[in-house]
Amino acid sequence: EVQLVQSGAEVKKPGESLKISCKGSGYSFINYWIGWVRQMPGKGLEWMGIIHPANSETKYSPSFQGQVSISVDKSFSTAYLQWTSLKASDTAMYYCARYADSKSGLFDPWGQGTLVTVSS
Amino acid sequence: DIQMTQSPSSLSASVGDRVTITCRASQSINSYLNWYQQKPGKAPKVLIYAASSLHSGVPSRFTGSGSGTDFTLTISSLQPEDFATYYCQQTFTTSYTFGQGTNLDIK
Repeated sequence: EVQLVQSGAEVKKPGESLKISCKGSGYSFINYWIGWVRQMPGKGLEWMGIIHPANSETKYSPSFQGQVSISVDKSFSTAYLQWTSLKASDTAMYYCARYADSKSGLFDPWGQGTLVTVSS
Repeated sequence: DIQMTQSPSSLSASVGDRVTITCRASQSINSYLNWYQQKPGKAPKVLIYAASSLHSGVPSRFTGSGSGTDFTLTISSLQPEDFATYYCQQTFTTSYTFGQGTNLDIK
């Protein structure tokens, strides 16, 4: 079964750093882009960026460029989303998703989500 | 960035109704359009990709159509499990923007 499993919920204080993960299994991890999506409480889906595990090529949404870092460790079949200094406005659910291919444009499967809460 | 605009933002309907949600792109995206269903506390699930291709396991009451800038998602006969929020997403450019969502609830 192809699946993405994300790390567990996090509670952090403003200014702290954080790295959350997304581990792929059931397929050849290095052959598929992995994307990240933010969903703030009660709000819609926002595209953050995407990374290719084979060469770490990364593309960020302009809204998130410089705000987060996306990385990958192909030896662990895991993609990461990282903050160096969290803000209260980073409180959200974060999802990863596998990009099947550019012809179909299909993002599937999705991880179960990681809830990040930033509060003093 | 390509802007995606869904309408309506919310919709009330009854079981058995036929429902249509529209999504408009700010520029042509050919057929690079996905539709997702999201229920509270759950990850989005893809329903339709490439504007009109039904994803594996999705009931045939869901259909997608359109190309260029105007797209529709139609649910032919609403079932109780269909009450959820629906999002469109363009995959024509790597900004992969989403629509703002359509909340479908029970009348």
